[in-house]
Amino acid sequence: TQLLEQSPQFLSIQEGENLTVYCNSSSVFSSLQWYRQEPGEGPVLLVTVVTGGEVKKLKRLTFQFGDARKDSSLHITAAQPGDTGLYLCAGANTNAGKSTFGDGTTLTVKP
Amino acid sequence: SQTIHQWPATLVQPVGSPLSLECTVEGTSNPNLYWYRQAAGRGLQLLFYSVGIGQISSEVPQNLSASRPQDRQFILSSKKLLLSDSGFYLCAWTELPRESSGNTIYFGEGSWLTVV
Repeated sequence: TQLLEQSPQFLSIQEGENLTVYCNSSSVFSSLQWYRQEPGEGPVLLVTVVTGGEVKKLKRLTFQFGDARKDSSLHITAAQPGDTGLYLCAGANTNAGKSTFGDGTTLTVKP
Repeated sequence: SQTIHQWPATLVQPVGSPLSLECTVEGTSNPNLYWYRQAAGRGLQLLFYSVGIGQISSEVPQNLSASRPQDRQFILSSKKLLLSDSGFYLCAWTELPRESSGNTIYFGEGSWLTVV
């Protein structure tokens, strides 16, 4: 069974601070996705990374896929209250029809 | 464009009553379909997935069942609900995973089930 561990589980910061969320596994994935979920709604895809060492930027969000494709990180610069939500990572393999999800990081950004 | 819709959005059911949550996908053919359950503020537990009509894989033993009577319809059911079945249920779909694009999952709006 493939497992993904996310850390930290909870994060509460002030507006303008930077933060990093980690997603680690002992298994190799062919791709990894990051999702953001607001209460009472389904998760929404932020990014997919497929190449070891890949770095993708989405405005103030920077995503990195580890060289060995076992881990990933999400860095947010100058966090805003609108970034508040549950951040989930999910790993997948090309030949499998399902993804493995981490337990999520609940981020609260205080104004 | 593709859309996914699930209903009802909220459901309060007594213990021992039946359950039926429905999900439909539009704008794509032969999708992989999934039912997930999520505890408050936590990750997603895969309950069932289907790669085609009548093909259902169960991930965890439980009080629930799933059916796929049509290509783009996925139904989650129970004959007798338990208190422990309460939670947030998400239907989702994917295309066949591709090396270049990964396995993007598109989620429905979710259904809150409270068993009382």
